[in-house]
Amino acid sequence: GNSVTQMEGPVTLSEEAFLTINCTYTATGYPSLFWYVQYPGEGLQLLLKATKADDKGSNKGFEATYRKETTSFHLEKGSVQVSDSAVYFCALLTGTASKLTFGTGTRLQVTL
Amino acid sequence: DGGITQSPKYLFRKEGQNVTLSCEQNLNHDAMYWYRQDPGQGLRLIYYSQIVNDFQKGDIAEGYSVSREKKESFPLTVTSAQKNPTAFYLCASKYAGQEENYGYTFGSGTRLTVV
Repeated sequence: GNSVTQMEGPVTLSEEAFLTINCTYTATGYPSLFWYVQYPGEGLQLLLKATKADDKGSNKGFEATYRKETTSFHLEKGSVQVSDSAVYFCALLTGTASKLTFGTGTRLQVTL
Repeated sequence: DGGITQSPKYLFRKEGQNVTLSCEQNLNHDAMYWYRQDPGQGLRLIYYSQIVNDFQKGDIAEGYSVSREKKESFPLTVTSAQKNPTAFYLCASKYAGQEENYGYTFGSGTRLTVV
């Protein structure tokens, strides 16, 4: 079956530090890959996506590249801000039912 | 503005009661989903529906029921058979087809607590 593995958190960084959150997946077929962000007490917001191998998704300074050879979709940002503090979920989507499979989430805490 | 509305934001249930969580969308999305979120476990799929009057069980459907009488609405009932219902519940929707190009749109969630 499909599965997503994320690095465990929490990840604590100082403002302006470089961020990497690792995500690897197992899937049948050719999934689309997503990163969602969840701020405290809220639902999930789509951060970025990639639909085929070697695609790079980007938004708000965050980037992730779909690596088929390593089945990875690591999230990166060059300089984090306090406002980036949230929980980040990696997810994949495949199949006719369009069901998203999520990782367990990684909490990011950015301090001044 | 289009979006998904979940209500209530907080809900308290006594042991043995059924409660219904509301999810309404005005995005004209075809498919709707219910997820449960527990600390450290990510999101798990409860039920989903791709068209009106049809729905399928997800990974953890036991103790839950749904209906899809209208395209805009997908209410979730947490029954007394659900042994551990305290959790954060998220509703989502998306267009059917072109699934690889569209992510889900999520509501803001309902936090259910058994008292």
